[in-house]
Amino acid sequence: EIVLTQSPGTLSLSPGERATLSCRASQSVSSSYLAWYQQKPGQAPRLLIYGASSRATGIPDRFSGSGSGTDFTLTISRLEPEDFAVYYCQQYGSSPPGTFGQGTKVEIK
Amino acid sequence: EVQLVQSGAEVKKPGESLKISCKGSGYSFTSYWIGWVRQMPGKGLEWMGIIYPGDSDTRYSPSFQGQVTISADKSISTAYLQWSSLKASDTAMYYCARQHGDYDPLDYWGQGTLVTVSS
Repeated sequence: EIVLTQSPGTLSLSPGERATLSCRASQSVSSSYLAWYQQKPGQAPRLLIYGASSRATGIPDRFSGSGSGTDFTLTISRLEPEDFAVYYCQQYGSSPPGTFGQGTKVEIK
Repeated sequence: EVQLVQSGAEVKKPGESLKISCKGSGYSFTSYWIGWVRQMPGKGLEWMGIIYPGDSDTRYSPSFQGQVTISADKSISTAYLQWSSLKASDTAMYYCARQHGDYDPLDYWGQGTLVTVSS
Protein backbone atom coordinates (compact mmCIF):
# COMPACT_ATOMS: atom_id res chain seq x y z
CA GLU A 1 0.00 0.00 0.00
CA ILE A 2 1.32 3.43 -0.95
CA VAL A 3 1.52 5.83 1.99
CA LEU A 4 1.18 9.55 1.27
CA THR A 5 2.73 12.08 3.65
CA GLN A 6 1.66 15.71 3.38
CA SER A 7 3.57 18.66 4.71
CA PRO A 8 3.30 20.95 6.46
CA GLY A 9 0.40 19.94 8.68
CA THR A 10 -0.73 23.56 8.93
CA LEU A 11 0.21 26.53 6.77
CA SER A 12 -0.51 30.00 8.18
CA LEU A 13 -0.62 32.61 5.44
CA SER A 14 -2.32 35.90 4.57
CA PRO A 15 -4.65 36.52 1.62
CA GLY A 16 -2.64 37.31 -1.49
CA GLU A 17 0.32 35.16 -0.44
CA ARG A 18 1.53 32.06 -2.25
CA ALA A 19 0.86 28.63 -0.75
CA THR A 20 3.03 25.60 -1.47
CA LEU A 21 1.80 22.22 -0.24
CA SER A 22 3.78 19.01 -0.47
CA CYS A 23 2.72 15.38 -0.88
CA ARG A 24 5.35 12.65 -0.74
CA ALA A 25 4.62 9.01 -1.61
CA SER A 26 6.29 5.97 -0.05
CA GLN A 27 6.79 4.54 -3.56
CA SER A 28 6.43 5.83 -7.07
CA VAL A 29 2.88 6.80 -8.11
CA SER A 30 2.00 5.17 -11.41
CA SER A 31 1.64 7.53 -14.36
CA SER A 32 1.25 10.50 -12.03
CA TYR A 33 -2.17 9.27 -10.87
CA LEU A 34 -2.17 11.89 -8.13
CA ALA A 35 -5.11 14.13 -7.26
CA TRP A 36 -5.64 17.06 -4.91
CA TYR A 37 -8.91 17.84 -3.13
CA GLN A 38 -10.09 20.84 -1.14
CA GLN A 39 -12.40 20.47 1.83
CA LYS A 40 -14.06 23.35 3.65
CA PRO A 41 -15.70 22.93 7.06
CA GLY A 42 -19.05 21.15 6.82
CA GLN A 43 -18.62 20.42 3.13
CA ALA A 44 -17.72 17.42 1.01
CA PRO A 45 -14.28 17.40 -0.61
CA ARG A 46 -13.96 18.92 -4.08
CA LEU A 47 -11.59 17.72 -6.80
CA LEU A 48 -9.04 20.38 -7.73
CA ILE A 49 -6.24 18.64 -9.61
CA TYR A 50 -5.90 15.21 -11.26
CA GLY A 51 -3.07 13.55 -13.15
CA ALA A 52 -0.74 15.56 -10.91
CA SER A 53 -1.16 18.75 -12.94
CA SER A 54 -4.54 18.94 -14.71
CA ARG A 55 -7.14 21.27 -13.24
CA ALA A 56 -10.64 19.88 -12.79
CA THR A 57 -13.59 21.61 -14.40
CA GLY A 58 -14.22 25.07 -13.02
CA ILE A 59 -11.07 25.28 -10.91
CA PRO A 60 -9.39 28.72 -11.06
CA ASP A 61 -5.94 28.92 -12.62
CA ARG A 62 -4.39 30.15 -9.37
CA PHE A 63 -4.36 26.44 -8.44
CA SER A 64 -1.61 24.41 -10.04
CA GLY A 65 -0.14 20.97 -9.47
CA SER A 66 3.26 19.57 -10.31
CA GLY A 67 5.53 16.65 -9.65
CA SER A 68 6.04 13.01 -10.54
CA GLY A 69 7.31 9.78 -9.06
CA THR A 70 7.18 10.27 -5.31
CA ASP A 71 7.11 14.06 -4.91
CA PHE A 72 4.13 16.24 -5.73
CA THR A 73 3.22 19.87 -5.06
CA LEU A 74 0.02 21.90 -5.00
CA THR A 75 0.58 25.63 -5.42
CA ILE A 76 -1.98 28.36 -4.87
CA SER A 77 -0.44 31.42 -6.48
CA ARG A 78 -2.37 34.11 -4.61
CA LEU A 79 -4.60 33.05 -1.75
CA GLU A 80 -8.19 34.25 -1.89
CA PRO A 81 -10.35 34.26 1.28
CA GLU A 82 -12.28 31.23 0.01
CA ASP A 83 -9.07 29.17 -0.34
CA PHE A 84 -8.55 28.73 3.39
CA ALA A 85 -9.42 25.08 3.83
CA VAL A 86 -7.92 21.63 4.23
CA TYR A 87 -6.20 20.06 1.22
CA TYR A 88 -5.72 16.34 0.64
CA CYS A 89 -3.67 14.49 -1.92
CA GLN A 90 -4.75 11.05 -3.17
CA GLN A 91 -3.03 8.45 -5.29
CA TYR A 92 -5.28 6.39 -7.54
CA GLY A 93 -2.74 4.53 -9.64
CA SER A 94 -2.42 1.64 -7.25
CA SER A 95 -5.94 0.61 -6.42
CA PRO A 96 -7.24 -0.63 -4.16
CA PRO A 97 -6.87 1.34 -2.07
CA GLY A 98 -6.91 4.90 -3.38
CA THR A 99 -5.04 6.20 -0.38
CA PHE A 100 -5.22 9.79 0.84
CA GLY A 101 -2.63 11.88 2.58
CA GLN A 102 -3.42 13.13 6.07
CA GLY A 103 -4.19 16.67 4.89
CA THR A 104 -2.72 20.15 5.10
CA LYS A 105 -4.74 22.92 6.68
CA VAL A 106 -4.27 26.36 5.14
CA GLU A 107 -5.31 28.91 7.74
CA ILE A 108 -5.44 32.67 7.85
CA LYS A 109 -2.43 34.21 9.56
CA GLU B 1 -26.24 18.07 -13.81
CA VAL B 2 -24.38 15.27 -12.07
CA GLN B 3 -25.68 14.70 -8.55
CA LEU B 4 -25.03 12.17 -5.85
CA VAL B 5 -27.62 12.41 -3.10
CA GLN B 6 -27.00 10.48 0.09
CA SER B 7 -29.47 9.31 2.70
CA GLY B 8 -29.92 11.22 5.93
CA ALA B 9 -28.09 11.12 9.22
CA GLU B 10 -28.42 8.01 11.36
CA VAL B 11 -28.16 7.40 15.10
CA LYS B 12 -27.69 3.76 16.02
CA LYS B 13 -26.70 1.60 18.97
CA PRO B 14 -23.68 -0.72 19.00
CA GLY B 15 -24.55 -4.08 17.48
CA GLU B 16 -27.28 -2.72 15.22
CA SER B 17 -27.22 -3.04 11.46
CA LEU B 18 -27.33 -0.16 9.01
CA LYS B 19 -27.49 0.47 5.28
CA ILE B 20 -26.92 3.95 3.87
CA SER B 21 -27.51 4.96 0.28
CA CYS B 22 -26.17 7.15 -2.51
CA LYS B 23 -28.40 7.91 -5.50
CA GLY B 24 -26.82 9.09 -8.72
CA SER B 25 -28.46 11.22 -11.37
CA GLY B 26 -27.51 13.29 -14.40
CA TYR B 27 -25.15 10.69 -15.86
CA SER B 28 -25.03 7.02 -16.86
CA PHE B 29 -24.95 5.36 -13.44
CA THR B 30 -23.78 2.02 -14.81
CA SER B 31 -20.74 3.53 -16.56
CA TYR B 32 -18.97 4.99 -13.53
CA TRP B 33 -17.61 3.54 -10.31
CA ILE B 34 -19.00 4.72 -6.97
CA GLY B 35 -16.50 4.96 -4.14
CA TRP B 36 -17.06 5.31 -0.40
CA VAL B 37 -14.86 7.45 1.85
CA ARG B 38 -14.89 7.65 5.65
CA GLN B 39 -14.08 10.73 7.68
CA MET B 40 -13.98 10.24 11.41
CA PRO B 41 -14.65 13.30 13.59
CA GLY B 42 -11.87 15.84 13.14
CA LYS B 43 -9.81 13.45 11.02
CA GLY B 44 -8.80 12.94 7.40
CA LEU B 45 -10.23 11.01 4.49
CA GLU B 46 -10.04 7.21 4.28
CA TRP B 47 -10.79 5.30 1.07
CA MET B 48 -13.05 2.37 1.89
CA GLY B 49 -13.90 0.73 -1.43
CA ILE B 50 -15.57 1.07 -4.79
CA ILE B 51 -18.24 -0.63 -6.87
CA TYR B 52 -18.97 -0.64 -10.58
CA PRO B 53 -22.77 -0.72 -10.79
CA GLY B 54 -22.66 -2.02 -14.35
CA ASP B 55 -21.49 -5.47 -13.23
CA SER B 56 -21.22 -5.09 -9.42
CA ASP B 57 -17.42 -5.51 -9.49
CA THR B 58 -16.42 -4.45 -5.97
CA ARG B 59 -13.03 -3.70 -4.43
CA TYR B 60 -12.26 -2.98 -0.79
CA SER B 61 -9.43 -1.39 1.09
CA PRO B 62 -7.79 -4.08 3.24
CA SER B 63 -8.66 -1.90 6.25
CA PHE B 64 -12.38 -2.22 5.53
CA GLN B 65 -12.61 -5.69 3.95
CA GLY B 66 -15.00 -7.76 6.03
CA GLN B 67 -16.12 -4.75 8.07
CA VAL B 68 -18.59 -3.30 5.57
CA THR B 69 -20.43 -4.38 2.44
CA ILE B 70 -20.73 -2.24 -0.67
CA SER B 71 -23.52 -2.97 -3.12
CA ALA B 72 -25.57 -1.29 -5.83
CA ASP B 73 -28.98 -1.51 -7.47
CA LYS B 74 -28.56 -0.24 -10.99
CA SER B 75 -32.29 -0.30 -11.62
CA ILE B 76 -32.68 2.65 -9.25
CA SER B 77 -29.19 4.17 -9.73
CA THR B 78 -28.31 3.70 -6.08
CA ALA B 79 -25.22 2.44 -4.29
CA TYR B 80 -25.15 1.26 -0.70
CA LEU B 81 -22.80 0.91 2.23
CA GLN B 82 -23.87 -1.42 4.99
CA TRP B 83 -22.81 -2.75 8.36
CA SER B 84 -24.12 -5.91 10.01
CA SER B 85 -23.01 -4.96 13.52
CA LEU B 86 -22.06 -1.37 14.22
CA LYS B 87 -19.36 -0.32 16.68
CA ALA B 88 -18.84 3.03 18.36
CA SER B 89 -15.73 3.41 16.24
CA ASP B 90 -17.94 3.47 13.11
CA THR B 91 -19.09 6.95 14.11
CA ALA B 92 -18.08 9.11 11.17
CA MET B 93 -19.19 11.02 8.12
CA TYR B 94 -19.42 8.78 5.07
CA TYR B 95 -19.16 10.17 1.57
CA CYS B 96 -19.91 8.54 -1.74
CA ALA B 97 -18.17 9.82 -4.85
CA ARG B 98 -18.06 9.05 -8.54
CA GLN B 99 -15.02 7.68 -10.36
CA HIS B 100 -14.92 7.24 -14.11
CA GLY B 101 -12.45 4.42 -14.60
CA ASP B 102 -10.17 2.16 -12.62
CA TYR B 103 -7.50 4.82 -12.56
CA ASP B 104 -9.43 8.03 -12.20
CA PRO B 105 -9.98 10.47 -9.35
CA LEU B 106 -13.22 11.01 -7.47
CA ASP B 107 -14.79 13.80 -9.48
CA TYR B 108 -18.26 14.31 -7.96
CA TRP B 109 -19.13 13.80 -4.32
CA GLY B 110 -22.29 13.29 -2.32
CA GLN B 111 -23.11 15.58 0.57
CA GLY B 112 -22.19 12.97 3.16
CA THR B 113 -24.11 10.84 5.65
CA LEU B 114 -23.31 11.23 9.34
CA VAL B 115 -23.49 7.96 11.23
CA THR B 116 -23.44 8.15 15.02
CA VAL B 117 -23.13 4.93 17.01
CA SER B 118 -23.73 5.36 20.72
CA SER B 119 -25.28 3.40 23.52
